[in-house]
Amino acid sequence: DAKTTQPNSMESNEEEPVHLPCNHSTISGTDYIHWYRQLPSQGPEYVIHGLTSNVNNRMASLAIAEDRKSSTLILHRATLRDAAVYYCILRDRTGANNLFFGTGTRLTVIP
Amino acid sequence: AAGVIQSPRHLIKEKRETATLKCYPIPRHDTVYWYQQGPGQDPQFLISFYEKMQSDKGSIPDRFSAQQFSDYHSELNMSSLELGDSALYFCASSLNGGTDYGYTFGSGTRLTVV
Repeated sequence: DAKTTQPNSMESNEEEPVHLPCNHSTISGTDYIHWYRQLPSQGPEYVIHGLTSNVNNRMASLAIAEDRKSSTLILHRATLRDAAVYYCILRDRTGANNLFFGTGTRLTVIP
Repeated sequence: AAGVIQSPRHLIKEKRETATLKCYPIPRHDTVYWYQQGPGQDPQFLISFYEKMQSDKGSIPDRFSAQQFSDYHSELNMSSLELGDSALYFCASSLNGGTDYGYTFGSGTRLTVV
């Protein structure tokens, strides 16, 4: 399975943008890039996913490098509620493989 | 909107006892997944069901079994409980493998084995 690499932790000041990087140099042509987050004591929560083009939704933006070997999850204005572990996960476009969580990035938001 | 419902929220069992965790997926979702998350660990995939048939198996111990019923709810049965089984157990559901809207997770069942 193609793997992803994320920093163990990051900090951000409240109301500032946050850029969470993810490297996936062995990504295949049929892999989608998915992001989930897990708030303390809660189940993981879907954030966003994309294939090649940058994606935006109400929660975040996903910027995908042209060669697709890296991507960045962008939170435009961090709030205290965004403090969570963020997981970058590759999934085949058919969804045939299950969601496998690696070691995500623990985001701390400073008031 | 309806979410994934798990019960019970908390469960305390003694070693060698059995436990049953229940999951009620989002209506019309066709796939259910079970995950285990130990203290300080990332969620680990256990098993999944597509349209009531087991579709994939992860790192699920032989002491555990699961099934999905005709009403689409799922149960995770755990026997001969060990201290190391203490963890959060999450159920998730999805439509079409979660390719469009991802997985929706429940709030989890916290199992403590003493």
